[in-house]
Amino acid sequence: DTGVSQNPRHKITKRGQNVTFRCDPISEHNRLYWYRQTLGQGPEFLTYFQNEAQLEKSRLLSDRFSAERPKGSFSTLEIQRTEQGDSAMYLCASSDRDGSSYEQYFGPGTRLTVT
Amino acid sequence: AQKITQTQPGMFVQEKEAVTLDCTYDTSDPSYGLFWYKQPSSGEMIFLIYQGSYDQQNATEGRYSLNFQKARKSANLVISASQLGDSAMYFCAMRFSGGYQKVTFGTGTKLQVIP
Repeated sequence: DTGVSQNPRHKITKRGQNVTFRCDPISEHNRLYWYRQTLGQGPEFLTYFQNEAQLEKSRLLSDRFSAERPKGSFSTLEIQRTEQGDSAMYLCASSDRDGSSYEQYFGPGTRLTVT
Repeated sequence: AQKITQTQPGMFVQEKEAVTLDCTYDTSDPSYGLFWYKQPSSGEMIFLIYQGSYDQQNATEGRYSLNFQKARKSANLVISASQLGDSAMYFCAMRFSGGYQKVTFGTGTKLQVIP
């Protein structure tokens, strides 16, 4: 049973460039979540997919951010016209059911540095 | 609004001793789940333990136990017999049974185990 994987693990980009991250959830999990974690903080929710449908988006997800899960399997998170404030760890998580009693399984994250 | 508070930015514990990491929460929702995650320097969030709001008994998982005091809205993590590998960030988190799928995290406590 492989866990959640994320690529790349690290990304350094110049301000104004576009970046795209990929998340591959645990194979039987149809729920997928993106979080952002800045230094010294806990992860903050960005968006949620159930299969290919994006069902919930945070106000943190500005119009420069877009997430997709075209076939209900892997997901991509794109940031356009990156800003220095976008520097953070981007975490992906998956689960196989809803409800308050079910944990989410996290990937290793993609650390973005915008210079 | 739901909120998780972790008031200990950093903690030290001697190897083989027990340590308690504090967590308080605020919610008006009667049904919720409380989680603790460990985040080593590698970045991955590792699920440790879960407590449901209606559970009568405190949760235990190996060396981890959760001291759940519902009336005080606290969910402290107790780690017994600390090991050097326990050095990491620890996050308290909450998830709700309603339409919300996100997990809300606290700011974390950095635990350092001293040989």
